[in-house]
Amino acid sequence: DAKTTQPPSMDCAEGRAANLPCNHSTISGNEYVYWYRQIHSQGPQYIIHGLKNNETNEMASLIITEDRKSSTLILPHATLRDTAVYYCIVRRTLGNQFYFGTGTSLTVIP
Amino acid sequence: DAGVIQSPRHEVTEMGQEVTLRCKPISGHDYLFWYRQTMMRGLELLIYFNNNVPIDDSGMPEDRFSAKMPNASFSTLKIQPSEPRDSAVYFCASSLRMGLAGVGETQYFGPGTRLLVL
Repeated sequence: DAKTTQPPSMDCAEGRAANLPCNHSTISGNEYVYWYRQIHSQGPQYIIHGLKNNETNEMASLIITEDRKSSTLILPHATLRDTAVYYCIVRRTLGNQFYFGTGTSLTVIP
Repeated sequence: DAGVIQSPRHEVTEMGQEVTLRCKPISGHDYLFWYRQTMMRGLELLIYFNNNVPIDDSGMPEDRFSAKMPNASFSTLKIQPSEPRDSAVYFCASSLRMGLAGVGETQYFGPGTRLLVL
């Protein structure tokens, strides 16, 4: 599975959009991009995933660049409850494991 | 659905004792995963099962660790004997399927068991 690189930490003002970047320059054509988050003391929670098209659900939007070497998770209106560690994961369609890496610690500031 | 259920939520034990962690996956999910999370190593996959059969246990740290899944609704992770370095949060997760173009591969995690070995 392709390696991902994320900034270790970010801050975001409450109510503003939080844009979390992820670099996956070695991604292969059959590898999906997944985003999970982990709120303190809880298990990781699935957010969204995509292959090459931008995706949106009730939680977030996922923007994948045309060359697929990077992506951005967008939380459109961050709330204090969005404070968490966000993990960007790249995995093959027939892969077995999710490698979580170190993620980005997002702090939403009142 | 109640989600993935783990027990106990907290466990404190002394070095050398046997520890058994339990997991009930989401009904209908064919895959079950055991992870361990520490500050030093982050979230690591220990083992996963497909239809109750262990598929990949390469992440199990050593022979002191063992995992079983006697039926589709129950799995255990056992540490015998336990050591202080086993102190961590252990998560169980389940998914509907795997390897089908991203469909149904979402892993749903339980709340974790916080293990402290003194």
